[in-house]
Amino acid sequence: DQQVKQNSPSLSVQEGRISILNCDYTNSMFDYFLWYKKYPAEGPTFLISISSIKDKNEDGRFTVFLNKSAKHLSLHIVPSQPGDSAVYFCAASGAGNNDMRFGAGTRLTVKP
Amino acid sequence: EPEVTQTPSHQVTQMGQEVILRCVPISNHLYFYWYRQILGQKVEFLVSFYNNEISEKSEIFDDQFSVERPDGSNFTLKIRSTKLEDSAMYFCASSQRSGTEAFFGQGTRLTVV
Repeated sequence: DQQVKQNSPSLSVQEGRISILNCDYTNSMFDYFLWYKKYPAEGPTFLISISSIKDKNEDGRFTVFLNKSAKHLSLHIVPSQPGDSAVYFCAASGAGNNDMRFGAGTRLTVKP
Repeated sequence: EPEVTQTPSHQVTQMGQEVILRCVPISNHLYFYWYRQILGQKVEFLVSFYNNEISEKSEIFDDQFSVERPDGSNFTLKIRSTKLEDSAMYFCASSQRSGTEAFFGQGTRLTVV
């Protein structure tokens, strides 16, 4: 099941700089997109979401951008902090469906 | 803050044995899910549950798996005859509305030996 793809398994950035995490999807029926953050031995924690009727959603240091024509979304974290170091999962759900499909995750490391 | 709770945190079982993983979703949520993550791999959808019945399930969720909401609070995942490849972290999640943000429990690590 490759409907949601995160092609970068890892990303390393310096504290204070911007982190950009990318996600691509193939199913045009997806209309709701989410980012989750996961620490080791814990469940995924909801971070931010965006509906397909929008192209941007911002919450504090976190902004999600959606490009429907390219079937691409990205998560921007600025400024990045060492506590942001975790695995970030992109997820998508579609028109009335009750399942979310997850990407493989990107491990973000923010260096002090 | 309300949270999804899962028990046990770690379960070790012999191959072929039945296991039941338990979850208490957030109380005013209506949609319930099970996901799993095999070590080093992606989080995979297993099943969603609404109004006392399965609403969607993935190809992973075969006849060995079943879910139940035996009372008003618990949501369980049963694996009838465990296989080695069932070893994974199993996450329960719940949401208020269909297709929106789900809140996850801490997970149950299932080890089949």
